[in-house]
Amino acid sequence: QLQLQESGPGLVKPSETLSLTCTVSGGSISSNSYYWGWVRQPPGKGLEWIGSIYYSGSTYYNPSLKSRVTISVDTSKKQFSLKLSSVTAADTAVYYCARHQGPTVTLDAFDIWGQGTMVTVSS
Amino acid sequence: QSVLTQPPSVSGAPGQRVTISCTGSSSNIGAGYDVHWYQQLPGTAPKLLIYGNSNRPSGVPDRFSGSKSGTSASLAITGLQAEDEADYYCQSYDSSLGGSSVFGTGTKVTVL
Repeated sequence: QLQLQESGPGLVKPSETLSLTCTVSGGSISSNSYYWGWVRQPPGKGLEWIGSIYYSGSTYYNPSLKSRVTISVDTSKKQFSLKLSSVTAADTAVYYCARHQGPTVTLDAFDIWGQGTMVTVSS
Repeated sequence: QSVLTQPPSVSGAPGQRVTISCTGSSSNIGAGYDVHWYQQLPGTAPKLLIYGNSNRPSGVPDRFSGSKSGTSASLAITGLQAEDEADYYCQSYDSSLGGSSVFGTGTKVTVL
């Protein structure tokens, strides 16, 4: 059974870079059948898609975050990672990693989610 | 501010039917992009409830159903149960401003 697990610092200082990793277990990250993505949720608010990556490294980003976001993949470690630069308090959120149901970001839902990790931006 | 609008809350008594709307535009739902629905119980990750407008993943009760028409979509819950009390989000793709996967504003379902 495929599982996703987020990891990374729970506290990041303003203006610094937030870095998170999602580890895939129970299945392959290298399948050509799926994209892998990041979604965040500020406290008490709704969901926001951050971006998604294919095992080959092809990426799609939310235009509103694109200038600050980098998503990468390491198939040997079965991990994909998120970097968000120049963070502010507005980036405080629970960050989820998730698997798209298929190989198309525009069409495919997120069918498997990690449990989420809370990241607070504060000095 | 999401491009997909949902009512903030809906409520119903056990056994009743409730519906949640997801209103979009010609650059997302109206453009033919699929709509997906998620259920989020308090303190947990979202769970896929409906994909491709009206398809249920394995294990999702048939009390949950989805539909799409024009620039809107709907999620219906029939035979409402206490365990259905949760937040529900729609999701689609928007082709404007460079293209982006988008979530709805979210709806809190309360079982009276």
